[in-house]
Amino acid sequence: EIVLTQSPGTLYLSPGERATLSCRASQSFTITYLAWYQQKPGQAPRLLIYGASRRAAGIPDRFSVSGSGTDFTLTISRLEPEDFAVYYCKQYVGSSWTFGQGTRVE
Amino acid sequence: EVQLLESGGGLVQPGGSLRLSCSASQFSFSTYAMGWVRQVPGKGLEWVAAIGGSDTSTYYADSVKGRFTISRDNSKNTLYLQLDNLRAEDTALYYCVKHSGRIAAREVFDYWGQGTLVTVSS
Repeated sequence: EIVLTQSPGTLYLSPGERATLSCRASQSFTITYLAWYQQKPGQAPRLLIYGASRRAAGIPDRFSVSGSGTDFTLTISRLEPEDFAVYYCKQYVGSSWTFGQGTRVE
Repeated sequence: EVQLLESGGGLVQPGGSLRLSCSASQFSFSTYAMGWVRQVPGKGLEWVAAIGGSDTSTYYADSVKGRFTISRDNSKNTLYLQLDNLRAEDTALYYCVKHSGRIAAREVFDYWGQGTLVTVSS
C-alpha cells in the first residue's frame, strides 16, 4: 500500500499569497496517478486536479501541480478567500486508493 | 449535474449490520465505476470499496474486507454497501463517489454525494 504524507498540517496564509502544499509517497509513482481534492467545512470533498495537469470542471488555473517519484506539490498561485479549505492528495496507481491526511489552509 | 444521494446510515450496535444506498442520477450510471469513501468527523478520508460499471469487479480496503460488500443495481441506478460485523472504528460519514471511468482501477472520484452517517455504539 502506498502511504501518502502531507505537510504541513496547517498552512497559515493571507489572501493573495502563494500556497505550496507537499505530498510525499512511500513508493515512487508517476504524477499521472496523483489527484488533489478540496474540502470545505460541512461539504463533501471535490476533485481539483488529476492526471498530472488536468483540472476538474470549474477549477481555475491558479491551481497547479508538480513533482515526480515520491514528492509532489500542489501550488495555489494567489489565494482567493474561497481557497481556504482542507486539501487532500490521493494516489490511484491501481485498484487500491489512498489519501494523505490533509493540509488545512487557514 | 450529476447527483448522488446516500441513505441508510444510522446508529447500530457493535456486531450489527446496515445497508447503505446511493441513488444516482443525471449520468449514465452503468457506464461508470462507483465507490465508497468514509470520513470520521473532523478527520481524513479513507477509501472503502469500489465496483466496476459492469458489476464484475469489486475492490475493498483491507480494513473492511470480509465484512463489507459493495454491489449495484444498474436497472435502479443505485449503489449499495452492505456493512456487517460492524465495529466502533467503522463510525464515519460514508460518501458515495462516482469514478471517472468504467473499470474502477486507475480512476479518480469526480463526483461525491453529501454522505450518510454511520455510528457504531452500544
